[in-house]
Amino acid sequence: AQSVTQLDSHVSVSEGTPVLLRCNYSSSYSPSLFWYVQHPNKGLQLLLKYTSAATLVKGINGFEAEFKKSETSFHLTKPSAHMSDAAEYFCVVRPLPGAQKLVFGQGTRLTINP
Amino acid sequence: DVKVTQSSRYLVKRTGEKVFLECVQDMDHENMFWYRQDPGLGLRLIYFSYDVKMKEKGDIPEGYSVSREKKERFSLILESASTNQTSMYLCASSTPGQANTEAFFGQGTRLTVV
Repeated sequence: AQSVTQLDSHVSVSEGTPVLLRCNYSSSYSPSLFWYVQHPNKGLQLLLKYTSAATLVKGINGFEAEFKKSETSFHLTKPSAHMSDAAEYFCVVRPLPGAQKLVFGQGTRLTINP
Repeated sequence: DVKVTQSSRYLVKRTGEKVFLECVQDMDHENMFWYRQDPGLGLRLIYFSYDVKMKEKGDIPEGYSVSREKKERFSLILESASTNQTSMYLCASSTPGQANTEAFFGQGTRLTVV
């Protein structure tokens, strides 16, 4: 079965320091991968997506993620955290090219300390 | 701008009531989804629909049903609400599964069953 694992349920960083949110996936195929962000009491917003065009993907708000097939990872990073980055982040996989359904990780809550 | 609209942000219902959650999208998407979000569990798929009057069970369909009479509208029905259905419910839509196709989400409905 295809799955996605977010390795940290909660990450806390200081404002201005780097952010790393870790995600590993399992898939028999080359998957499509996404990161979504959810601010409190809001729906999910797409941050970025990987679809095999380039392994380093840039998203909105300064976030980027690197697809590493050998490590089956798709970690999300940002060089310098901002208070507005405090939210829940979801790593998501479309396991097959024609799959209708997405598979969600459990989420990582990012806290930013002043 | 693309939009998925859920009819209520907050609902409080009594045990045993029949509950309707409504979702409308304006993007002419074929696919629509209902997810349930609980802390530590990420998003779990309840039902999805790939066309008018077509539906497919997700991972946790028990206690729920759905209706899709028009392409833009997808309703989630709790036949007899129970306290363990207290949760955040998210609706999403997408075009059929090409590799780079993301899902677009509504703002969510926080349902409390008392």
